[in-house]
Amino acid sequence: SQTIHQWPATLVQPVGSPLSLECTVEGTSNPNLYWYRQAAGRGLQLLFYSVGIGQISSEVPQNLSASRPQDRQFILSSKKLLLSDSGFYLCAWAPTGTANYGYTFGSGTRLTVV
Amino acid sequence: AQSVTQLDSHVSVSEGTPVLLRCNYSSSYSPSLFWYVQHPNKGLQLLLKYTSAATLVKGINGFEAEFKKSETSFHLTKPSAHMSDAAEYFCVVTTRGDSWGKFQFGAGTQVVVTP
Repeated sequence: SQTIHQWPATLVQPVGSPLSLECTVEGTSNPNLYWYRQAAGRGLQLLFYSVGIGQISSEVPQNLSASRPQDRQFILSSKKLLLSDSGFYLCAWAPTGTANYGYTFGSGTRLTVV
Repeated sequence: AQSVTQLDSHVSVSEGTPVLLRCNYSSSYSPSLFWYVQHPNKGLQLLLKYTSAATLVKGINGFEAEFKKSETSFHLTKPSAHMSDAAEYFCVVTTRGDSWGKFQFGAGTQVVVTP
């Protein structure tokens, strides 16, 4: 069966510090991968998606970047965090080729920038 | 283009009474529709999905939803609420067969269950 792992679960970082959140998927090949952010009182915002190694599409220009160094690994990064980067970050995957199966989400990372 | 509107931001129900969460969608093409549930500080869990088969879809934990094309709706229901149903619920639309899998999320409905 397929599983998705996301870590860390919580993170408190000072303004201006770097960020690296990691997400890995097991039990499938060539998944579509996604990073979402959920800010307090707001809905889910798609940040990045990837349909293959090295292929990253950005939905919202901002302080963050994403990379996919391996087929089932998706990394969200920042060189210098801003207060506005605080939020709940969710990684998700879906089978390649169709959206009909829906997303499977990771357990999320609560990021607080202080 | 596609969009989804959840008509209620908050719903409060008593334990044992029915739950109704309303969702309307807009899609230029045949849609796939989903309902997700999110408990506090947790990831989103898929409750059920509609992808062109039966219009009445049954999901986990006793939830079901009916796809009504004429009304562009996909309302979520449960006959009897349980305390564990207290959570946030998201209605989601995507274009059927969209290989990019870019989903459009509703703003969410917060469900409160009172004893």
